[in-house]
Amino acid sequence: DTAVSQTPKYLVTQMGNDKSIKCEQNLGHDTMYWYKQDSKKFLKIMFSYNNKELIINETVPNRFSPKSPDKAHLNLHINSLELGDSAVYFCASSPVLAGEYEQYFGPGTRLTVT
Amino acid sequence: GEDVEQSLFLSVREGDSSVINCTYTDSSSTYLYWYKQEPGAGLQLLTYIFSNMDMKQDQRLTVLLNKKDKHLSLRIADTQTGDSAIYFCAERRDGTGRRALTFGSGTRLQVQP
Repeated sequence: DTAVSQTPKYLVTQMGNDKSIKCEQNLGHDTMYWYKQDSKKFLKIMFSYNNKELIINETVPNRFSPKSPDKAHLNLHINSLELGDSAVYFCASSPVLAGEYEQYFGPGTRLTVT
Repeated sequence: GEDVEQSLFLSVREGDSSVINCTYTDSSSTYLYWYKQEPGAGLQLLTYIFSNMDMKQDQRLTVLLNKKDKHLSLRIADTQTGDSAIYFCAERRDGTGRRALTFGSGTRLQVQP
């Protein structure tokens, strides 16, 4: 019954490693997002995909590469991890139809880089 | 979020009303939202208001929107200890076609028994 799921829930890794976070939604939505929440709880949009096409790419280092194999999945791959990448990463999805208002969030992935 | 501002902390006693305030800067925002985040959890949509409305009530929650002052508030009546969480306001700016949300910094609500 999970609407937006993310794996893993926790990820601890060392600087310089490459890691991926996966996101899946079973709501039939066309648009998916990645948000980053830092230690002060600030939430900022990183990427957005609509029907597998990138529509938002904020000023995120190119070590971060989103990949959308189909419209139900949006994965986030991070190369050469740095200490400052430690944060909680939230995936979200929403319908694309006009008038539909809600974004559904996943439970978050807490990434700790040591 | 530099464009959406909230006070960081609010403490109330159980049974009192809580009022969480938010100011935003983009007058083209179409929808404004309130999300709740409990410790270690994701974001849960509490309520939203469309920009052509002044007020919306949903059980214990009342949202007031002053579009002239770009001010949004969330009132929680009869606040309970289970309401302790971080509350985020967010705006959606459809004009750019982005549909992504811009969040405030969050207000941590602490409810004293």
